[in-house]
Amino acid sequence: EAQVTQNPRYLITVTGKKLTVTCSQNMNHEYMSWYRQDPGLGLRQIYYSMNVEVTDKGDVPEGYKVSRKEKRNFPLILESPSPNQTSLYFCASSLSFWGTDTQYFGPGTRLTVL
Amino acid sequence: QKEVEQNSGPLSVPEGAIASLNCTYSDRVSQSFFWYRQYSGKSPELIMSIYSNGDKEDGRFTAQLNKASQYVSLLIRDSQPSDSATYLCAVNGRSGGSNYKLTFGKGTLLTVNP
Repeated sequence: EAQVTQNPRYLITVTGKKLTVTCSQNMNHEYMSWYRQDPGLGLRQIYYSMNVEVTDKGDVPEGYKVSRKEKRNFPLILESPSPNQTSLYFCASSLSFWGTDTQYFGPGTRLTVL
Repeated sequence: QKEVEQNSGPLSVPEGAIASLNCTYSDRVSQSFFWYRQYSGKSPELIMSIYSNGDKEDGRFTAQLNKASQYVSLLIRDSQPSDSATYLCAVNGRSGGSNYKLTFGKGTLLTVNP
């Protein structure tokens, strides 16, 4: 089954404790992206990757890191989480960025930072 | 900065009625437009994409695009209670000439009353 998976789905952690949210897709997609969704603010892009080893900042990259060493995986790293990073996070992927290529979303990770 | 604006809602329609959702965008260079449906706590799910001026129909859904007016709409005919969700308009392109992303509107909450 073609899908985007994220782990963990739910996480409660404390300020300053490094964490990684994994994202994996099995569709051989080149483009991958991370979004956060907050009430009243909608979906905002954190980082994106056009292909392996090619990553760039989105609109709200502060406090986050990413890497793209393999085409299928695009982990999101919070080196020192803070309460303002409490949010619902989505990973998405598409064959490429352009034209008719649809972005497919993972199931989401609900993160709470105390 | 590219923006996507949606009618804020919430929108309430009776079962069987037509629901009309509207979206405007500010970047004239945008080429691809998408409507996603999101149930509470779930990930966005693509329901329609449109790239050319005019109408595109898929079952009970019709997307309309007018690039001259920078306007995209979604009509849902014969609305069902299962259509109750938040509808997100999304536009792809390069924001400010830099990051490649989908820019989402903040969504319109639709409630279909039995």
